[in-house]
Parts: sequence; C-alpha cells; structure tokens
Amino acid sequence: EDQVTQSPEALRLQEGESSSLNCSYTVSGLRGLFWYRQDPGKGPEFLFTLYSAGEEKEKERLKATLTKKESFLHITAPKPEDSATYLCAVQALSVGSSNTGKLIFGQGTTLQVKP
Amino acid sequence: ETGVTQTPRHLVMGMTNKKSLKCEQHLGHNAMYWYKQSAKKPLELMFVYSLEERVENNSVPSRFSPECPNSSHLFLHLHTLQPEDSALYLCASSQEAGRRNEQYFGPGTRLTVT
Repeated sequence: EDQVTQSPEALRLQEGESSSLNCSYTVSGLRGLFWYRQDPGKGPEFLFTLYSAGEEKEKERLKATLTKKESFLHITAPKPEDSATYLCAVQALSVGSSNTGKLIFGQGTTLQVKP
Repeated sequence: ETGVTQTPRHLVMGMTNKKSLKCEQHLGHNAMYWYKQSAKKPLELMFVYSLEERVENNSVPSRFSPECPNSSHLFLHLHTLQPEDSALYLCASSQEAGRRNEQYFGPGTRLTVT
C-alpha cells in the first residue's frame, strides 16, 4: 500500500536556527513528490515538485531534496513568517494514480519559528 | 479573481439540509479535485474530474455528489450529512490529471454539520 509519513509532527525553532523536515514514502513507483505549505484556515500553497532521486530545488530559505525512500525540506535561517504546516505528497506510477493525478498526503509537520 | 476560489468559506448545516459548495479556477487547467481535510488526518482525495469527466471516486458516500459543468467550475452537492462530515473541504486544479500534476488549492470551505 502506498504510504507517506512525515516527521516530526511538530517542530519549534528559534529564528535563525536551521533544521530539516522529513518525508518518508513507500510507493510501487514514484511519478512525483510534492511539497506544500499550509497556513491556518487556508488551502495548501504549492512549493516544489521533485521527480527523481538526487534532484534538488530551492526557494528563498527552503531547499527540497529527494532520495529513493525519502525527501527532506531544509530550512535555512528561518524567520517567524516561515511558521506553517508543511505537507508532503506523492503521486505513484501505478496506472490508476498516473491517469487521475491522485496524490497521497502525509499528516504534515507544523513548524513554529520564534523571534 | 485569480487562482482557485471557493464559496462559501464557512457553512453550518443541519443533518437534513441540502447545500452546495462551489469552486472556480481561473488558471486554464483541465483537471479539478475535491479533497477533505479533517483534524489530525491527512488530506483525503474525494473526486477527480478531467475535462469535465469524473475519473476518480475515492469510495465517497453517496451523500456527497460532485458536478463539473465545465473545466472551470466544480460543485459538491451535500445532503443528509453526518456530524463526522464536518471538515475543511478543499478544491484544487492542475494542468492535467496525470504527468504534470502540480495541484493548486483554493482556500477551502469550513463545513460544520450540526
């Protein structure tokens, strides 16, 4: 069964204290891995797509990396405005998922950055 | 309007009511999705439409009835809901339901069933 697990569930950082969020996945074959940011009371905001092991993408203080079993979202020198829940999702290569675009989401990591 | 919009943003309904949620995307996409987000649970895919054709029904009870009249609009018709159906209902769209599948989400409708 395709599955996505994120850790930790919650993370508290001081402003400027770099850290990483983990997304472990089990799928029959990976078509793509997606990172989203969700603020309270809002819909998820798209951040990155990663397609193959070794791929990396960056946006401001965020950097996403991908291996064959997991993805990391590295946050460098975070600021209070980076506080949010970060969601990871995968799209499997199985025929059904590929045709429908079905994403399987993890439970998310809630990040709090204190000034 | 830009991106994906949803109305209403908040909805309180009784178990015997009938209501509808509306989603509109202004991105020129061909695929639209309904998700349910409950507290402490991952987002759950409910329905997928590709070019107005339903291509996924993720074992959703019949009290939820989707409708996609064109590629820009998506509705979720609700009737005889249960209290456990209270959740944030999110609409999303993507260029296509397949290869390039970055999905863009609306702000959601917070539904409370009393």
